[in-house]
Amino acid sequence: KAGVTQTPRYLIKTRGQQVTLSCSPISGHRSVSWYQQTPGQGLQFLFEYFSETQRNKGNFPGRFSGRQFSNSRSEMNVSTLELGDSALYLCASSPAGHTGSSEAFFGQGTRLTVV
Amino acid sequence: QKEVEQNSGPLSVPEGAIASLNCTYSDRVSQSFFWYRQYSGKSPELIMSIYSNGDKEDGRFTAQLNKASQYVSLLIRDSQPSDSATYLCAVAGYSTLTFGKGTMLLVSP
Repeated sequence: KAGVTQTPRYLIKTRGQQVTLSCSPISGHRSVSWYQQTPGQGLQFLFEYFSETQRNKGNFPGRFSGRQFSNSRSEMNVSTLELGDSALYLCASSPAGHTGSSEAFFGQGTRLTVV
Repeated sequence: QKEVEQNSGPLSVPEGAIASLNCTYSDRVSQSFFWYRQYSGKSPELIMSIYSNGDKEDGRFTAQLNKASQYVSLLIRDSQPSDSATYLCAVAGYSTLTFGKGTMLLVSP
């Protein structure tokens, strides 16, 4: 069974640009969550999608957005990039139903560097 | 604000010893708890999940949960140098996981 696939693996962008990251979950998983990981803050929750609906959102500015498609693939977008957005962006896939308490599996992440 | 606390370490143990990693959480209604292992430069890998009070064993790993004390722990028996990594404790909420900042474990040969 294929794991969670994130593309691209690495990105270098300039301040003010926008970026789109992609995540393909494990087959059959309908929940996709996004996290930002930085050395200082650790893993922080961005948002979660289930069946194309955003069910939960973390405490991030509106420059961070996402969506989920009917095949459960998800994208997240960051507009007007800032230096502080440099981080490892991780996508997690879960079969989670209404509670979101089932096991989540991470992709390899996208390392974003903003210069 | 839900919080998950872990000692950042590093926790240093010799090869063959038992490593004990601890985690406390603030949300009393939490029901699902997870341990992830993250090697440097890699993504987190799920190693244990626990939902009920008591112990859950899987190979060299034992997770322990005490909901009354809001405490989760992970024991690694017969620690190996390959166990050297950062261990993340995660607590499930509604459609989200709240992570601790992780404990770095160093196993010396």
